[in-house]
Amino acid sequence: QQQVKQSPQSLIVQKGGISIINCAYENTAFDYFPWYQQFPGKGPALLIAIRPDVSEKKEGRFTISFNKSAKQFSLHIMDSQPGDSATYFCASGGSNYKLTFGKGTLLTVNP
Amino acid sequence: DSGVTQTPKHLITATGQRVTLRCSPRSGDLSVYWYQQSLDQGLQFLIQYYNGEERAKGNILERFSAQQFPDLHSELNLSSLELGDSALYFCASSFGRGNSPLHFGNGTRLTVT
Repeated sequence: QQQVKQSPQSLIVQKGGISIINCAYENTAFDYFPWYQQFPGKGPALLIAIRPDVSEKKEGRFTISFNKSAKQFSLHIMDSQPGDSATYFCASGGSNYKLTFGKGTLLTVNP
Repeated sequence: DSGVTQTPKHLITATGQRVTLRCSPRSGDLSVYWYQQSLDQGLQFLIQYYNGEERAKGNILERFSAQQFPDLHSELNLSSLELGDSALYFCASSFGRGNSPLHFGNGTRLTVT
């Protein structure tokens, strides 16, 4: 089974700092790489996604960096806020492939 | 609010029993996906239906089955329940068959005692 390896498992950041979460995928045929944010008691919600034709995508304080040759992508949260405290999941998939999720990163942003 | 509705929110049952989880997808979405979330395994894909037909199968046990009805709502049936089946079960929906964004419901927490 194709895996997505996500790190770190947990992350503590001070308010205003940068949070960085990394993921590595295996299948070079994958062409869709989303990040999901999950708050306690809620389902995962799509945060931002990237296709491999670009190396970076930015939406507000959230940026995905994508390295196709290394088969890695990462989520950067700039100016992290306590409200960003949640579990973040990366995922990878393709047109003919189901999404495979990483195991998640619990982010805590201290005020 | 994702627009995906799952019922019930919580379910407590005994080993050996059978339960049914229900999901109503977002209006207009044709695909329904079922995921199991546990602390040690993360989000595990179980099965996908597209417009009433099974589209993809993941790590779904033989004791589990699902279907999607003509009105596009879906049910996940779990039988001969074991303690290890205790988990959060999420339904997600998307418009297309492929990787159009998934919209998740808030899940059903199943506790098997």
